[in-house]
Amino acid sequence: NAGVTQTPKFQVLKTGQSMTLQCAQDMNHEYMSWYRQDPGMGLRLIHYSVGAGITDQGEVPNGYNVSRSTTEDFPLRLLSAAPSQTSVYFCASSWGDGGSYNEQFFGPGTRLTVL
Amino acid sequence: AQSVTQPDIHITVSEGASLELRCNYSYGATPYLFWYVQSPGQGLQLLLKYFSGDTLVQGIKGFEAEFKRSQSSFNLRKPSVHWSDAAEYFCAVAPGTYKYIFGTGTRLKVLA
Repeated sequence: NAGVTQTPKFQVLKTGQSMTLQCAQDMNHEYMSWYRQDPGMGLRLIHYSVGAGITDQGEVPNGYNVSRSTTEDFPLRLLSAAPSQTSVYFCASSWGDGGSYNEQFFGPGTRLTVL
Repeated sequence: AQSVTQPDIHITVSEGASLELRCNYSYGATPYLFWYVQSPGQGLQLLLKYFSGDTLVQGIKGFEAEFKRSQSSFNLRKPSVHWSDAAEYFCAVAPGTYKYIFGTGTRLKVLA
């Protein structure tokens, strides 16, 4: 049982480049989410999903796209990277649809630098 | 708007000393409350959670937290800190939607 996995661990992009951060979980969790962590700001929710085919915006969605074609995978796409997107990105998942507020299981994170 | 405040950015304690990390929330009703811990270079791990009932909740690694409705607080405590407790601690609330709100974190340093 691998839990929540994220790839890559580290990434450097140039301004304007696009990329996809991968997130997968093998726990059959319905709820998945993406956060960014910046110094002094804690974790801020980017997007979340309550099941395959269902996604919604969080607190800081601008510049990011998501899709959820399967229960297991929840990729985060940066369409045109900007230096303001330099951050550590965490994917998380939980049982239920998130409305029952179960424990979230976090991946190890992706450290992204945009030059 | 709902919010979570962790007023202490850094806390330093000696090994064996007691610990209390503060968390205050802003919400009209009783929210779901959580404490997570993040070790360096790692993701977050749940320490404990409060939904309802007994206001003193026990968690893993010897931590406990007390919900005080009158003070809108959910402070984390540990009677005797170990060097391995050095980490960053996040309080979070789930205010009745599908969205979780995290505090800005408290970084704990433990002196040998």
